[in-house]
Amino acid sequence: DGGITQSPKYLFRKEGQNVTLSCEQNLNHDAMYWYRQDPGQGLRLIYYSQIVNDFQKGDIAEGYSVSREKKESFPLTVTSAQKNPTAFYLCASSMEGFGTDTQYFGPGTRLTVL
Amino acid sequence: AQSVTQLGSHVSVSEGALVLLRCNYSSSVPPYLFWYVQYPNQGLQLLLKYTSAATLVKGINGFEAEFKKSETSFHLTKPSAHMSDAAEYFCAVSPTGGYQKVTFGTGTKLQVIP
Repeated sequence: DGGITQSPKYLFRKEGQNVTLSCEQNLNHDAMYWYRQDPGQGLRLIYYSQIVNDFQKGDIAEGYSVSREKKESFPLTVTSAQKNPTAFYLCASSMEGFGTDTQYFGPGTRLTVL
Repeated sequence: AQSVTQLGSHVSVSEGALVLLRCNYSSSVPPYLFWYVQYPNQGLQLLLKYTSAATLVKGINGFEAEFKKSETSFHLTKPSAHMSDAAEYFCAVSPTGGYQKVTFGTGTKLQVIP
């Protein structure tokens, strides 16, 4: 079955800790994305990557970092610099990153700061 | 920059009634437009998309949307609501041409009353 997997499903972090969210896809898609979802605010783009070893900041990149060493993997690190990290995080991929592309989403990771 | 506005963060309909979820876009040129659906604690999945072909777009689960340039609208409809339609719906917009970012609306939660 082709798709996107995210792990873990739930993650708890103490203040001051960095945590890494995993995102893997087996759709052979070039483009991958990270979004943050907060109630009433829709999805906001954190980072995106259109090709291996290249990525760009989205609208709310401060306090986050990513890497794209493999086509199928796009992990997101939430650093201690992110002041309000509690949210639902969604990873997505698309064929090439064109405007017409359908984005395929993973099931999400819910991060809670204790 | 493009944007979308979804009117009504919550919409309630009776089972069997018409579903109408509103989306207006802002763009200097006709963009690509999407409707995604999100069931609780899951990722998003595409319902339908407009990519400058037919203005009336049919999607999955009996949903359709009509692109109206004069009204800058892309409202989502379904003739008869089913209990399984209860979910959150997101309108999204992307500029045309090449690599582009998608901008999501803030979402509309649909409640279906038996």
